[in-house]
Parts: sequence; C-alpha cells; structure tokens
Amino acid sequence: SQQGEEDPQALSIQEGENATMNCSYKTSINNLQWYRQNSGRGLVHLILIRSNEREKHSGRLRVTLDTSKKSSSLLITASRAADTASYFCAPQTDSNYQLIWGAGTKLIIKP
Amino acid sequence: EPEVTQTPSHQVTQMGQEVILRCVPISNHLYFYWYRQILGQKVEFLVSFYNNEISEKSEIFDDQFSVERPDGSNFTLKIRSTKLEDSAMYFCASKAGTGTGYVQPQHFGDGTRLSIL
Repeated sequence: SQQGEEDPQALSIQEGENATMNCSYKTSINNLQWYRQNSGRGLVHLILIRSNEREKHSGRLRVTLDTSKKSSSLLITASRAADTASYFCAPQTDSNYQLIWGAGTKLIIKP
Repeated sequence: EPEVTQTPSHQVTQMGQEVILRCVPISNHLYFYWYRQILGQKVEFLVSFYNNEISEKSEIFDDQFSVERPDGSNFTLKIRSTKLEDSAMYFCASKAGTGTGYVQPQHFGDGTRLSIL
C-alpha cells in the first residue's frame, strides 16, 4: 500500500503547548503536503515541502522532511484552541502525482 | 480568496437512485479531483480530470461513477445506482496549472454529505 500514516492518531494538549505530528509513507515522492480539516468541513492546505527541502516554516508551523526515512513531521508552536482539528499529511507521488492520504491525527487543544 | 464550492451540502437518496454532486472549481484552475471520506476515516482518491478527460481513477471509481465538466465552470460526479456503502462525504478539489518545477496545492470544497437510505 502507498498509504500515508500519521502518528499519533489522536493528541490532546494544553493551549500554549507545542504539538508535533508525524507522518510516514512508502513511495517515492515529489513533495509532501499537510492539510487541516475542521469537523464537518473540507481540507485546507497548510504547507507544502518539496522532496529536495528538509525544513519549511509558515507562521507557527514548522515542517520537516526526511526522504531517506520516508517521514515528515508537523510542529505547531504555541497552540491555540482554534488549532483543534484533524491534520493530514499527503505525500504526492512522483509517478502519477497523486496525493496519498492517511487517517490523520486528531488534535485537541484544551483551553 | 477564491474558493471551491460544492452543492448540495447534504444529499439524502434512496438506494438504487442516481445522484449528481456538483462542484464549481476555482476559475482558471486546470486540474480537478473527486475524493470521498467515510465518517472518521481516511480520504480516498476517486478520480482526477484534466484537459476534459479522466487522467487517473482509483479502484473505487467503477462503472457506476462518472464525471463531467459540462461547461466552463461546473464539475460533476454522478453515481448511477447508489449503494448503502456509497454513504460518505464527497470532496471536490481543484488545482492551478503547474509551470516547470513549480508545484501547486489542491484547493478543496466543504464537501457534500451523501446519505443512502
């Protein structure tokens, strides 16, 4: 299976703490994208990291990519209640450019 | 900011009936996608569409499914004879054309919740 896998499945932290989510995949990729999904809503693109990049920042988000280990991490610093959502990594294959989805990490930020 | 819109937000249909889910992608985008997500589970790719034809489709996208871009703005997913297991959220996404070496993200609509009775 080419499926991406997020870890942990669920994460509950206090507001203000940092949240780290991990992703592993099996195939060769062109890039890896992270998306957020609020309950009952669509997926919102957060950040894209190319296969030749190792780290990328966007506001309170920091993404790393290790293509040798086929893994990525998403760090959200100084978490807020509004960050409560499910987070999905979506590696994009370099064969047919499809996004590969896992089951996501459900993040709960406690006020 | 331009967005992908999907209608209806919720569709309830009797098993065996045909259903059409509608999407208006972001204008000037060139790539279009349908995904589905069974409640609480992973997102599943159904089909991608480019240059007025299907470019990729998954095993889920069998003969009961079809897609159309009937005019310059709409992108539809039709399920001919719905089954109970078709109940899910269906998401449409679109993506801008890519220049050499530049990768674009996909933009998603808020989905249509399809309930088959």
